[in-house]
Amino acid sequence: GENVEQHPSTLSVQEGDSAVIKCTYSDSASNYFPWYKQELGKGPQLIIDIRSNVGEKKDQRIAVTLNKTAKHFSLHITETQPEDSAVYFCAASYSGNTPLVFGKGTRLSVIA
Amino acid sequence: DTGVSQNPRHKITKRGQNVTFRCDPISEHNRLYWYRQTLGQGPEFLTYFQNEAQLEKSRLLSDRFSAERPKGSFSTLEIQRTEQGDSAMYLCASSLGSGTGELFFGEGSRLTVL
Repeated sequence: GENVEQHPSTLSVQEGDSAVIKCTYSDSASNYFPWYKQELGKGPQLIIDIRSNVGEKKDQRIAVTLNKTAKHFSLHITETQPEDSAVYFCAASYSGNTPLVFGKGTRLSVIA
Repeated sequence: DTGVSQNPRHKITKRGQNVTFRCDPISEHNRLYWYRQTLGQGPEFLTYFQNEAQLEKSRLLSDRFSAERPKGSFSTLEIQRTEQGDSAMYLCASSLGSGTGELFFGEGSRLTVL
């Protein structure tokens, strides 16, 4: 089955700097790669996703890149703000129709 | 609609007791998922339903765990003869199941087994 590895486990950045979180996956059949943000005491919430027919997707300060050959994808957050502090999870599945397999998460701290 | 609702939010029980969690999904969503999350880990898939049919169960799911979704609406997750290792956050999520992939998670039910 699918296995998703995520790095780093913790990340601290100064407010205004960029943050990058990287994930690798094992199953070449996976073609849907979402990123979820989890704030304290809440369930994860989708922030951006990408499908294998595109290499990059942007939404304001957030972008995701995908390298299918290398089987890795990354989340980029620019101009970080204190409210970006949370745990971020990457995930993978086939067509969004199979259960998502999540990485172990990255705790991002944005220092004002 | 206010989103996915889970009850109870917290449950403390003694080892060997049975517990049941309830999930009310977003009303038009036909898919419902249960995940388990322990401290410092990502959500781990347990099982999911499309309408009332249970389509997949994780191989990690012990026989002590059972889930139902009668009439394709709310779902219950029961854990029998709880063990300390069952202590975790149990997350429910729902989706349209149209291949869009987005899961809408509830706030979870935290189980502590003493």
